[in-house]
Amino acid sequence: GESVGLHLPTLSVQEGDNSIINCAYSNSASDYFIWYKQESGKGPQFIIDIRSNMDKRQGQRVTVLLNKTVKHLSLQIAATQPGDSAVYFCAEGFSGNKLVFGAGTILRVKS
Amino acid sequence: EAEVAQSPRYKITEKSQAVAFWCDPISGHATLYWYRQILGQGPELLVQFQDESVVDDSQLPKDRFSAERLKGVDSTLKIQPAELGDSAMYLCASSIRQGGTYEQYFGPGTRLTVT
Repeated sequence: GESVGLHLPTLSVQEGDNSIINCAYSNSASDYFIWYKQESGKGPQFIIDIRSNMDKRQGQRVTVLLNKTVKHLSLQIAATQPGDSAVYFCAEGFSGNKLVFGAGTILRVKS
Repeated sequence: EAEVAQSPRYKITEKSQAVAFWCDPISGHATLYWYRQILGQGPELLVQFQDESVVDDSQLPKDRFSAERLKGVDSTLKIQPAELGDSAMYLCASSIRQGGTYEQYFGPGTRLTVT
């Protein structure tokens, strides 16, 4: 069935270091993947997406890597800042604009 | 910047009571979604609208939940009767296709506590 999960529930990094958040998925039928950031008391905020026919996409300070062979997705955040502290979700996108979210990874940035 | 509006932000109700949540999507967004998010988990889709039509309500507990989007703009999600297990964050999102993917914009959510 459709399933998206995360390897690490909590990630602590030092301010200025790079962060890598990982996500495993099980369904090969997805059209795209999205990373969302959710701060306490707020709704999820779009970070970056990648289509299933791509293996890398870069944004501002963020890079998403997709390895379809092992069904693995990662989000890299360069020069992590205190404002990056949040819960990060990967979501698998299917035709008809349906998203299936994983359980989330907590990112804590230490100053 | 346009945002998805939701109200109320917080709701406390007793079990067996009725409760309703309201969502106003970003102007021009034809697709609207209601999600439920249990603490510590990712959002789970309850219902998806395209304009005023339901396109997916397979995960909506239809014995107690109902959703409508009568004019294809704002939407209401209702629970009647509420149960203790309904305590969660209810998120509304809207989307318009951007470059091949449908980025979904989320509102701040309604935190429901059923006592």
